[in-house]
Amino acid sequence: GAGVSQSPSNKVTEKGKDVELRCDPISGHTALYWYRQSLGQGLEFLIYFQGNSAPDKSGLPSDRFSAERTGGSVSTLTIQRTQQEDSAVYLCASSLTFVGPQHFGDGTRLSIL
Amino acid sequence: GQQLNQSPQSMFIQEGEDVSMNCTSSSIFNTWLWYKQDPGEGPVLLIALYKAGELTSNGRLTAQFGITRKDSFLNISASIPSDVGIYFCAGDLNGGATNKLIFGTGTLLAVQP
Repeated sequence: GAGVSQSPSNKVTEKGKDVELRCDPISGHTALYWYRQSLGQGLEFLIYFQGNSAPDKSGLPSDRFSAERTGGSVSTLTIQRTQQEDSAVYLCASSLTFVGPQHFGDGTRLSIL
Repeated sequence: GQQLNQSPQSMFIQEGEDVSMNCTSSSIFNTWLWYKQDPGEGPVLLIALYKAGELTSNGRLTAQFGITRKDSFLNISASIPSDVGIYFCAGDLNGGATNKLIFGTGTLLAVQP
């Protein structure tokens, strides 16, 4: 499709396990963002990639969270040693340039048991 | 994380009524955006505002970027059942430097046919 694609759409895992969430941005978009949305809340910025520049990691809540963007396209958000408070919907967005409007995927709903 | 003050928290209206919601902040923003989110989906961009005082329409939707740069409102005229969803405002603190968005807490809109 032409939109931002995220996988898996749902993930249930046990506390303490590591998880990887994937984002395929819109083709040609140079900027990619990860957000977290807890139940009934707005979106919380996590990390931002722009071209080949160093990512802005200022929103990552702890060192258990990390993200990569390979080849300027696909991105993976990794959460190590998951905790129950990590349960949320993780949303990815991309924009054509760093000043363009962001287009969101449908998110990965993560549940930590 | 930081969030914008969005009100009202929820609205229950009859089909055909007009709706108004707003966002305020203690910080100055260079960009204001309004998104709509349906259950299980990512936010979809409705309107983007880039200049203080700007008034922009998109069909039955009208939004304005406050003169002080600290607020924005969204109006929906002649509401219909498919307007149901959660509406989020978002602001970009850095304008042309980055595209890191701060989101409001959301307004839940329910429309009675």
